[in-house]
Amino acid sequence: QKEVEQNSGPLSVPEGAIASLNCTYSDRGSQSFFWYRQYSGKSPELIMFIYSNGDKEDGRFTAQLNKASQYVSLLIRDSQPSDSATYLCAVNLYTNFGNEKLTFGTGTRLTIIP
Amino acid sequence: DVKVTQSSRYLVKRTGEKVFLECVQDMDHENMFWYRQDPGLGLRLIYFSYDVKMKEKGDIPEGYSVSREKKERFSLILESASTNQTSMYLCASSLYKYGYTFGSGTRLTVV
Repeated sequence: QKEVEQNSGPLSVPEGAIASLNCTYSDRGSQSFFWYRQYSGKSPELIMFIYSNGDKEDGRFTAQLNKASQYVSLLIRDSQPSDSATYLCAVNLYTNFGNEKLTFGTGTRLTIIP
Repeated sequence: DVKVTQSSRYLVKRTGEKVFLECVQDMDHENMFWYRQDPGLGLRLIYFSYDVKMKEKGDIPEGYSVSREKKERFSLILESASTNQTSMYLCASSLYKYGYTFGSGTRLTVV
């Protein structure tokens, strides 16, 4: 089982609709969860992070975390063509030496259709 | 804003060459990371450093080494470049628990 799993897509959503991106993780000790957006040819940029169970909202973006189900999701409301990108889920893991690192999913490619 | 600068955007090197990829951050972050990104494989951690002269292997360290002599600079070294090291290399730095800031990446081609 991969440490962080995402549906690779592509996911196509009409403009103005809600885009729902999902991610599962395997390590129950994970405590920090991140969503990155990556445009083609660019580096990832952080859009949201969440540490506690429940929802966290930031503008059109909502991150949802369910630690019992080991599931984190990202909702994008009122989707815009500029939201078309690959979305990467990242989860913190602890190494054998107790240091923290982020492990990334392979990403979901989202296309917003005008 | 935190700035992470990678010295080269594109590099072409020959098989067997020793290659240095440089990364500098300007926000006094303790932690710095080197990833490579390949289609279908996502971002994979090569090495990271949590303090000056302190380092730890990531998930795919074979064929690579790193150097961190100063807090702001983290170098990735390909000891003897091979064609399977052709990839996009991304450097990142972080302030504990607040996510990573990535550099713009170096696309390395080994011929």
